[in-house]
Amino acid sequence: TQLLEQSPQFLSIQEGENLTVYCNSSSVFSSLQWYRQEPGEGPVLLVTVVTGGEVKKLKRLTFQFGDARKDSSLHITAAQPGDTGLYLCAADDYKLSFGAGTTVTVRA
Amino acid sequence: DAEITQSPRHKITETGRQVTLACHQTWNHNNMFWYRQDLGHGLRLIHYSYGVQDTNKGEVSDGYSVSRSNTEDLPLTLESAASSQTSVYFCASSESFTREQFFGPGTRLTVL
Repeated sequence: TQLLEQSPQFLSIQEGENLTVYCNSSSVFSSLQWYRQEPGEGPVLLVTVVTGGEVKKLKRLTFQFGDARKDSSLHITAAQPGDTGLYLCAADDYKLSFGAGTTVTVRA
Repeated sequence: DAEITQSPRHKITETGRQVTLACHQTWNHNNMFWYRQDLGHGLRLIHYSYGVQDTNKGEVSDGYSVSRSNTEDLPLTLESAASSQTSVYFCASSESFTREQFFGPGTRLTVL
């Protein structure tokens, strides 16, 4: 099982600010998924990235897969309180392996 | 609408007792998973199943067992609950191992 490191562990910002969350490994991924989890609920898939260098946008969220497919980032532009949650990356290692997550709090 | 449900949502039990957590999905997915979520550890895989009568151990399977008698259900049993098994447990299902996983709402288990 490959180790996925997410940073930072916690992030608290003001509404309207930008933020970036990172997911890194020493191993190469065949694909990587990003999930968001709200308190008291299960994670929900946001996006899957497959190709090295790939960039996907989901409204104000931008996901990037590193050229070497060892790292990924999630950037949120003009964060809103509704973006608050735990962001998890998960690597395709035949079965999914999850990182520990980044807890994002957006203050109104 | 298809969904995945877990019961109970909250459970308090005592050390040494047997506990079974239920998971039911109506997606008709062959693949089902059980995870535990603890602070600082993310989601760790306990057991998974490719289909009926198939079960496999994940990275933290000691003290847990599962059985798959039909497509819809994958109950998780703690044979003799320990305080270290206090956690939030999530069940998930997917069309394939590398496709999107659909998660249930979780069961918060406390072992006293």
